[in-house]
Amino acid sequence: DTGVSQNPRHKITKRGQNVTFRCDPISEHNRLYWYRQTLGQGPEFLTYFQNEAQLEKSRLLSDRFSAERPKGSFSTLEIQRTEQGDSAMYLCASSPQTAGDQETQYFGPGTRLLVL
Amino acid sequence: TQLLEQSPQFLSIQEGENLTVYCNSSSVFSSLQWYRQEPGEGPVLLVTVVTGGEVKKLKRLTFQFGDARKDSSLHITAAQPGDTGLYLCAGAPSGSNDYKLSFGAGTTVTVRA
Repeated sequence: DTGVSQNPRHKITKRGQNVTFRCDPISEHNRLYWYRQTLGQGPEFLTYFQNEAQLEKSRLLSDRFSAERPKGSFSTLEIQRTEQGDSAMYLCASSPQTAGDQETQYFGPGTRLLVL
Repeated sequence: TQLLEQSPQFLSIQEGENLTVYCNSSSVFSSLQWYRQEPGEGPVLLVTVVTGGEVKKLKRLTFQFGDARKDSSLHITAAQPGDTGLYLCAGAPSGSNDYKLSFGAGTTVTVRA
């Protein structure tokens, strides 16, 4: 059983460029979450999907951010016109929809973004 | 204002000593999770506590969920250098149907050999 995987693991980009991250959840997990974590803080919720439907977006997610989960499996997170304040670790998590286990989320290794 | 407050923020102890990390909130949670995170990696799930008053043991780690389901603690007995890491508590408030997690800011634990 493979866990949640994320690619790339590291990304360095120049301000103003677009970047895209990919997340592959644990197979058959219906829910997929994106979080952002900055140094010295816990992860903060960005958005989540149930199957292919994006059900909630945080106010942290400006209009430069977009996420998709087109077939209810993998997901992508795109940041357009990156800013230095976007530098952070972007974490993906998935959870099953099994009663009693829905609240437990399993995280990927993260994508560390550095915007120069 | 964070929904979950963790204390202490930093903890440095000698190998073999015990330690306790606290996670407190004014909100009620249907469950709380504890994760450990190492630098440059994602959080790794340690345990989920669900029932008020519940105590779970994982080798040298003991997790407790408060009776009112507003707080939790993690106790490590005879800490080892391998226990070094950032310990995070997280949960979704009771009644939430989206299960998005709110995290504490974490407790950085350093165990010196």
